[in-house]
Amino acid sequence: GNSVTQMEGPVTLSEEAFLTINCTYTATGYPSLFWYVQYPGEGLQLLLKATKADDKGSNKGFEATYRKETTSFHLEKGSVQVSDSAVYFCALYPGGSYIPTFGRGTSLIVHP
Amino acid sequence: DVKVTQSSRYLVKRTGEKVFLECVQDMDHENMFWYRQDPGLGLRLIYFSYDVKMKEKGDIPEGYSVSREKKERFSLILESASTNQTSMYLCASTRQVSTDTQYFGPGTRLTVL
Repeated sequence: GNSVTQMEGPVTLSEEAFLTINCTYTATGYPSLFWYVQYPGEGLQLLLKATKADDKGSNKGFEATYRKETTSFHLEKGSVQVSDSAVYFCALYPGGSYIPTFGRGTSLIVHP
Repeated sequence: DVKVTQSSRYLVKRTGEKVFLECVQDMDHENMFWYRQDPGLGLRLIYFSYDVKMKEKGDIPEGYSVSREKKERFSLILESASTNQTSMYLCASTRQVSTDTQYFGPGTRLTVL
């Protein structure tokens, strides 16, 4: 079956630190990969996505590269801000399906 | 901008009550979803609908039912609420494209006493 594994949180960083949140997946076929972000008190919103191997998604200073050989889609940001404090979800859409599989989410806390 | 709205942000109900959670999207999306979100468990799919009057069970359908009479509206029904259904409920919608983004509502935090 399909599955997404994310590193457990919370991840606690100081402002301007480098961020990596690991995400690995198991899927049949050729999935599309997504990162969603959930700010406190809100629903999820798309942060970035990649639809094929070696694609890089980027948005708001965040980046992730679709690595088929390591089945990974790690989220990175060079310099985090307090406003980046949120829960981050990695997700995949299996090829030919409309039903995504989500990871359990990783909470990020950024201190001034 | 796509907008997904949910009828309530916070709801408090008593055990045994029938509860309706409503979700409306304004972008003519074919697919709509109901999830529940619990700490440490992430998002779990309750039900999915790919067309009017069509529905499919997700991972945790027990204790829930759904209704989709119009394309833009997808309702989640708790026939007899129980305390273990206290949770955050999220609605989402997408087009029928497998690379498409899910658009989420703000969530309804339901407490069952």
